[in-house]
Amino acid sequence: AQSVSQHNHHVILSEAASLELGCNYSYGGTVNLFWYVQYPGQHLQLLLKYFSGDPLVKGIKGFEAEFIKSKFSFNLRKPSVQWSDTAEYFCAVNAGTGTASKLTFGTGTRLQVTL
Amino acid sequence: GAVVSQHPSRVICKSGTSVKIECRSLDFQATTMFWYRQFPKQSLMLMATSNEGSKATYEQGVEKDKFLINHASLTLSTLTVTSAHPEDSSFYICSARDVRTRGNTGELFFGEGSRLTVL
Repeated sequence: AQSVSQHNHHVILSEAASLELGCNYSYGGTVNLFWYVQYPGQHLQLLLKYFSGDPLVKGIKGFEAEFIKSKFSFNLRKPSVQWSDTAEYFCAVNAGTGTASKLTFGTGTRLQVTL
Repeated sequence: GAVVSQHPSRVICKSGTSVKIECRSLDFQATTMFWYRQFPKQSLMLMATSNEGSKATYEQGVEKDKFLINHASLTLSTLTVTSAHPEDSSFYICSARDVRTRGNTGELFFGEGSRLTVL
């Protein structure tokens, strides 16, 4: 079964600092990878996704993530965070194919950006 | 597009009663919907896969008689927590795929979530 690990549980950064959140997964086959964000009081939203092709994917709000197959990793990055980036970030993996394939989530990383 | 709506967003009930949570895909048809449970400061745990017109598929450890799922139409799935107890208090989130525009990529769209508190 697939699993997802997020190593950072709570990250505190000052505005303009650079961000990198780790995500590792375990699954030997083809995977689709996602980062979702949950802002305070809001529902989960897709930040970015990787299906195939260029392993460096760009998402909304200046976020990007790099898929490194050899390391089973999909780390999220942002060069300069803003206060509005304060949220919970979830890495997710979808393995298998078809409409019934499941999305497995990591435990989440709470990002707190201070002014 | 691809909006998923849940109702109610918050519900408080007495122990022993049943609570129904609705999940609707507003602008697309979803043959499959997923129900997750989120514990405080923890990840989303998949409870079951709701299949339109057939029985739901439950994850290991999830009581199907406790958490009744009905997927009566292509835009509506319901989760009923039967004989609720305080330990059932949690945040329940539904999600769905828009296969029409996203194919079988696995991308999900999420409802706002429903916070259940059982007294």
